[in-house]
Amino acid sequence: DQQVKQNSPSLSVQEGRISILNCDYTNSMFDYFLWYKKYPAEGPTFLISISSIKDKNEDGRFTVFLNKSAKHLSLHIVPSQPGDSAVYFCAARGGSYIPTFGRGTSLIVHP
Amino acid sequence: DTAVSQTPKYLVTQMGNDKSIKCEQNLGHDTMYWYKQDSKKFLKIMFSYNNKELIINETVPNRFSPKSPDKAHLNLHINSLELGDSAVYFCASSQEPNSPLHFGNGTRLTVT
Repeated sequence: DQQVKQNSPSLSVQEGRISILNCDYTNSMFDYFLWYKKYPAEGPTFLISISSIKDKNEDGRFTVFLNKSAKHLSLHIVPSQPGDSAVYFCAARGGSYIPTFGRGTSLIVHP
Repeated sequence: DTAVSQTPKYLVTQMGNDKSIKCEQNLGHDTMYWYKQDSKKFLKIMFSYNNKELIINETVPNRFSPKSPDKAHLNLHINSLELGDSAVYFCASSQEPNSPLHFGNGTRLTVT
């Protein structure tokens, strides 16, 4: 029962271009969403979050968009840099403080 | 000065053995977690421990038991290890239940 879905296992982007990572959720109770970034052999690190009362949150090159009616959120990275190459996890919570994670999308940014 | 540290980083053991994974956080956080990343790469919650309240994922076999000697530690003990227990186990902590999680670097458990 995948309540948080990241349907693209991988994404390849040229340096300087935009990276768009997508996430869908099924649980209507979810009201807070987070993105984590993970490098190999390390644990995930928190990147950016958004509450369901907003539809956009921006932090430097990273912007998260939330479409509640579609139960969809996306992470935009502009411009993409080689150091952004990592696995990105979408997570959601609601009703419980414990976040539910997707399976991640591997982003590769080519120089 | 690692914030959340797990030991060991790698653990190879045979079926039927009992093993423990230790987790310590020096962030002063009140809430700690254990997640399992399986072969399909999902990060699944196993346990959460907040202010002496233990929340258990019902799908976790009772061979897995968390032990918290104090607020800075949440160790994971596994009895009678099975092949399907092979995975990467992540410890995490958060300042408050609704704060973002800080993860350790994971323990890769291989059961042969």
